[in-house]
Amino acid sequence: DIQMTQSPSSLSASVGDRVTITCRASQGISNFLNWYQQKPGKAPKVLIYVASSLQSGVPSRFSGSGSGTDFTLTISSLQPEDFATYYCQQSYSTPRTFGQGTKVEIK
Amino acid sequence: EVQLVESGGGLVQPGGSLRLSCEGSGFSFSSYSFNWVRQAPGKGLEWVSYITSTSGTIFYADSVKGRFTISRDNAKNSLYLQMNSLRVEDTAVYYCARDSASDYVWGTYHRDWGQGILVTVSS
Repeated sequence: DIQMTQSPSSLSASVGDRVTITCRASQGISNFLNWYQQKPGKAPKVLIYVASSLQSGVPSRFSGSGSGTDFTLTISSLQPEDFATYYCQQSYSTPRTFGQGTKVEIK
Repeated sequence: EVQLVESGGGLVQPGGSLRLSCEGSGFSFSSYSFNWVRQAPGKGLEWVSYITSTSGTIFYADSVKGRFTISRDNAKNSLYLQMNSLRVEDTAVYYCARDSASDYVWGTYHRDWGQGILVTVSS
């Protein structure tokens, strides 16, 4: 199975900050990497698919990059509604493993 | 509007069985693959199972293989997860998630999710 490791596990940031979350795969996965956002008590929501494609309706302050084993989710200017937990997931092989999550909290 | 509504959760004793259902609306149900994803209390997301649009390809996580069975009825716009020999560690919120494609290909993603249903395995 492909292991997905996110860093950091949590971070504190202020509104307006630029935030970067990284995700590393245990083997190369080309660009088959998705990012999800989950707010407490809610279902996850896809933000980015195949590493850098923005899902329809997702604000342009979210962006993704990377290929191979190393990927990044960037929020260019953090907004109050962005405080949530973010997960990466590989879609290269089954099982479709998720990272352990990164919780973005208010500083 | 796309809607996925799970049902069938609840409290069950270890070793017991439960059948989850997920009814879809607002889209062509038979055109998409589906997944079950779970989340134990306070934990991260765990992919559980996958089924293609025609039920021709099915996968399971090792943690549930041999105990859980995924199925679908396209005439009823419904997805199912039969869970047998339940263990305490199966306690979680279970989500059904519509895939972005009809078949098993690289690069798909979980484009829509249900609200989740809680399964509690406890004596």
